[in-house]
Amino acid sequence: DQQVKQNSPSLSVQEGRISILNCDYTNSMFDYFLWYKKYPAEGPTFLISISSIKDKNEDGRFTVFLNKSAKHLSLHIVPSQPGDSAVYFCAASTIQGAQKLVFGQGTRLTINP
Amino acid sequence: DSGVTQTPKHLITATGQRVTLRCSPRSGDLSVYWYQQSLDQGLQFLIQYYNGEERAKGNILERFSAQQFPDLHSELNLSSLELGDSALYFCASSVTGTNQPQHFGDGTRLSIL
Repeated sequence: DQQVKQNSPSLSVQEGRISILNCDYTNSMFDYFLWYKKYPAEGPTFLISISSIKDKNEDGRFTVFLNKSAKHLSLHIVPSQPGDSAVYFCAASTIQGAQKLVFGQGTRLTINP
Repeated sequence: DSGVTQTPKHLITATGQRVTLRCSPRSGDLSVYWYQQSLDQGLQFLIQYYNGEERAKGNILERFSAQQFPDLHSELNLSSLELGDSALYFCASSVTGTNQPQHFGDGTRLSIL
């Protein structure tokens, strides 16, 4: 039972344009959502998070949107830069679950010059 | 650099053996989490400790155990190793356990021959 799904294994975007990564979840008890970026041979790097009481959170070029009714979240990167090329994971947790993270399978983002 | 240190980076051993993976959390972080990343399963939560006490367990095998010491570093012990235990093992830490981002180390790659 995959509770967090990233349906696009890969995404290719031109440098300077917007990158939109999507994530769907099934567990309505999730109340905290995060996005991580991962380069090869490194651990996941925290990017941005959002609590279920909000529907948007911004940090520089990164914005996360949460649509609780659709059980959907997205990460927008504007403008996209070559250094953004990496695998992006969304993750979710619940207070009841003691904050253990449930990860999606990841989306490989490639930024083309 | 996330501030989370994992040792060793690589470990090669044989079936039936026992290994210990070590994790030093970020300064000030009280919670430590262990995750396993295998090719077919993605990132899976194993176990969490908070200030020395076990807080939550995921699908951790009985052959695996962990502990968190008074100085807050943690060790993951894997015994009676099988070929299927080959994976990347990540440690993460957070300030508390509630709605705080987890910061990951670069992982230990375990190869069972």
